[in-house]
Amino acid sequence: EPEVTQTPSHQVTQMGQEVILRCVPISNHLYFYWYRQILGQKVEFLVSFYNNEISEKSEIFDDQFSVERPDGSNFTLKIRSTKLEDSAMYFCASSRASHTGELFFGEGSRLTVL
Amino acid sequence: AQSVTQLGSHVSVSEGALVLLRCNYSSSVPPYLFWYVQYPNQGLQLLLKYTTGATLVKGINGFEAEFKKSETSFHLTKPSAHMSDAAEYFCALYTNTGNQFYFGTGTSLTVIP
Repeated sequence: EPEVTQTPSHQVTQMGQEVILRCVPISNHLYFYWYRQILGQKVEFLVSFYNNEISEKSEIFDDQFSVERPDGSNFTLKIRSTKLEDSAMYFCASSRASHTGELFFGEGSRLTVL
Repeated sequence: AQSVTQLGSHVSVSEGALVLLRCNYSSSVPPYLFWYVQYPNQGLQLLLKYTTGATLVKGINGFEAEFKKSETSFHLTKPSAHMSDAAEYFCALYTNTGNQFYFGTGTSLTVIP
């Protein structure tokens, strides 16, 4: 069964460092998403991506964050100058079409900022 | 604006008892509604979804949910809880006006043997 894969599963970084989280969506999917879940809190939308550009982003997704699809398969989330409050589980998701609505999630990348 | 409210952050049931996890939504346009389950250290897995048509939807692992527009609810039920049902459950809403999902805060289900 096709699945969304994310790497790394866990990353520990120092405050102020840059982090890149990688995702390989399901191959025939067109819509890509990043969500995050701070420990004990709800899953929060960060950004959606379609046709090689951001289609929607939340207020969380400020200039510190960026996404790209550099090679047609990987979908990356870059966090510049990490802060303590960026510590969270980051989930990548993909879907074939936006309105059918089924998001397929990866297992997440746990980011710990020290 | 769209939002999802899950009543009860923690629910405990005995094995074999009815599971009822509550979800209410707010949406100015017709919503698509979903329930996702998250097992420890795993990603979110789709349990079931309502898009259009039949308001009672059946999902995996014996779960079902009923879309009630008059009550703006989409409660998740299972007639008989199993130990393996212990997990975090998230209700989510999607509309065509915005390409994002809105998640509830989640309900942690504990099954007591």
